[in-house]
Amino acid sequence: DAKTTQPTSMDCAEGRAANLPCNHSTISGNEYVYWYRQIHSQGPQYIIHGLKNNETNEMASLIITEDRKSSTLILPHATLRDTAVYYCIVRVNTGTASKLTFGTGTRLQVTL
Amino acid sequence: GAGVSQSPRYKVAKRGQDVALRCDPISGHVSLFWYQQALGQGPEFLTYFQNEAQLDKSGLPSDRFFAERPEGSVSTLKIQRTQQEDSAVYLCASSPGTGPYGYTFGSGTRLTVV
Repeated sequence: DAKTTQPTSMDCAEGRAANLPCNHSTISGNEYVYWYRQIHSQGPQYIIHGLKNNETNEMASLIITEDRKSSTLILPHATLRDTAVYYCIVRVNTGTASKLTFGTGTRLQVTL
Repeated sequence: GAGVSQSPRYKVAKRGQDVALRCDPISGHVSLFWYQQALGQGPEFLTYFQNEAQLDKSGLPSDRFFAERPEGSVSTLKIQRTQQEDSAVYLCASSPGTGPYGYTFGSGTRLTVV
């Protein structure tokens, strides 16, 4: 699976949009971009994934550049409960479930 | 159940002791994964099951680690002769099938070897 690069940490004021970037310049055509987050003392939580098109769900939006070499996770109105480590992962879907390779992620701190 | 359940939540073992960690995946989920997470690090893959078949065990760090899922539902991760370096959080995840699904993780078992 392709390697991803994320900033180590970011801050965001409560109520503002949190934009978390991820670089995946070596991504292959059949690799999806996944985002998970991990709140302290919990297991990782799935947020969203996409292949080419931008995606939106009740938690977040995922913007993937046209060349697919980078993406941005957007939390539209961050709250204190969004403080967590956010992981960007690229993964092949070949018809056989494949493992997720986590990096060190971005530690997002939401402040008052 | 509504989520992935892991037990025990915490386990303290003396060095050399054998431990067994249990994972109850979401009912009907075909795929099951075990991960190990050291303090301050991201989770690292240990092994993967599709139903009862263990299709990938490339992440198991030594032959002291053994996982099984005999009936394709509950899974057990066993660590024999525990060492201090085995201290970590052990996470289990499941997914409905083999497509581009998100995985659901349990809260993990924190193992401390003393």
